[in-house]
Amino acid sequence: AQSVTQLGSHVSVSEGALVLLRCNYSSSVPPYLFWYVQYPNQGLQLLLKYTSAATLVKGINGFEAEFKKSETSFHLTKPSAHMSDAAEYFCAVSDLGYSSASKIIFGSGTRLSIRP
Amino acid sequence: DAGVTQSPTHLIKTRGQHVTLRCSPISGHKSVSWYQQVLGQGPQFIFQYYEKEERGRGNFPDRFSARQFPNYSSELNVNALLLGDSALYLCASSAGLSSGNTIYFGEGSWLTVV
Repeated sequence: AQSVTQLGSHVSVSEGALVLLRCNYSSSVPPYLFWYVQYPNQGLQLLLKYTSAATLVKGINGFEAEFKKSETSFHLTKPSAHMSDAAEYFCAVSDLGYSSASKIIFGSGTRLSIRP
Repeated sequence: DAGVTQSPTHLIKTRGQHVTLRCSPISGHKSVSWYQQVLGQGPQFIFQYYEKEERGRGNFPDRFSARQFPNYSSELNVNALLLGDSALYLCASSAGLSSGNTIYFGEGSWLTVV
């Protein structure tokens, strides 16, 4: 079964610094991978998704993620953090083995804080 | 176009009561899924419905039920509420069942059980 592990429940960076949020996946088949962002008291917004078309995936708000099969990783990066990036970030994988349905399996989340 | 809409946005219920949460998917989307997000955790899959049929169920007790209507909107029902049911309930819609379909989430319904 598919699963994802997010390394670090809380990451704090300075405004303008590199953002790196780590995610490792476990899948017996090529997975579909996602990063979602959740601002306080809001629902989930899709940042980007990997569907095997390209290993480097560009998303919204300047974020990108690189699929590395050899490392089973799908880390999220942004070159320069902005105060508005402060939120909870979830790595997720499609459960491809789930009968005729598709469902998303989420990691436990990483809270990103931005220091002025 | 409107996104996924959910109602109510916030509600407070007493233990043992029943609650109904509602969801309208994005226009043209036929699949609706429900997720429970307990504070401090990632969302957990509850149900998926497609073309008014249940297509998937997560590890939740029978107190949780759902249905999908001909217009593809959906209701999530929870009976005999427990304190542990307090959570953000998220509805998501997608065009179909393919794992490659993007799933779009609503803002959620905050349920507090006291």
